[in-house]
Amino acid sequence: KNEVEQSPQNLTAQEGEFITINCSYSVGISALHWLQQHPGGGIVSLFMLSSGKKKHGRLIATINIQEKHSSLHITASHPRDSAVYICAVRDNNDMRFGAGTRLTVKP
Amino acid sequence: DAGVTQSPTHLIKTRGQQVTLRCSPKSGHDTVSWYQQALGQGPQFIFQYYEEEERQRGNFPDRFSGHQFPNYSSELNVNALLLGDSALYLCASSFPGLPYEQYFGPGTRLTVT
Repeated sequence: KNEVEQSPQNLTAQEGEFITINCSYSVGISALHWLQQHPGGGIVSLFMLSSGKKKHGRLIATINIQEKHSSLHITASHPRDSAVYICAVRDNNDMRFGAGTRLTVKP
Repeated sequence: DAGVTQSPTHLIKTRGQQVTLRCSPKSGHDTVSWYQQALGQGPQFIFQYYEEEERQRGNFPDRFSGHQFPNYSSELNVNALLLGDSALYLCASSFPGLPYEQYFGPGTRLTVT
């Protein structure tokens, strides 16, 4: 079993829909990251969380340390949000990644 | 200010050959980490360099080695290439005081035939 599990693996949505991507982890962590990877490989860091909730534009990330679970929400989704979203957890300097959720937003 | 840069963008090698990938960190960063991302999977940590030394290493064989130069740029070397080494190799850099905040490069896509 992977230490970082994401769901769903693939997600297709219509433009404007509210999207939720989930991440569960089984190790103790000091921080959790949500990353966005576009076709071609470039990775952009969206959020770093150690507790609570963060919001940036249409993106919201939450984490529940007790339940070892985090969610990434996208409101009013747009085709340009289409990408792979990766959850990564950090324990000291060791970073472990989920397999990613491939999101496709159709116009 | 250029972010993290990597070269080359794409590379095709033959099984058994050796390859060197290069990474220049974001300005002001002195810590460089390397990751391997196989198709359809999340990145896997290879190793991290700080002050020209390997500070931490993931579960990769000795065929994977690296180097960090005084200007903080870094190289990843892979010897005796296997077909399974085909992947996207990502470099990420960070400040020493902010090890949690990594900036990723665009990656080098290596294909081993």
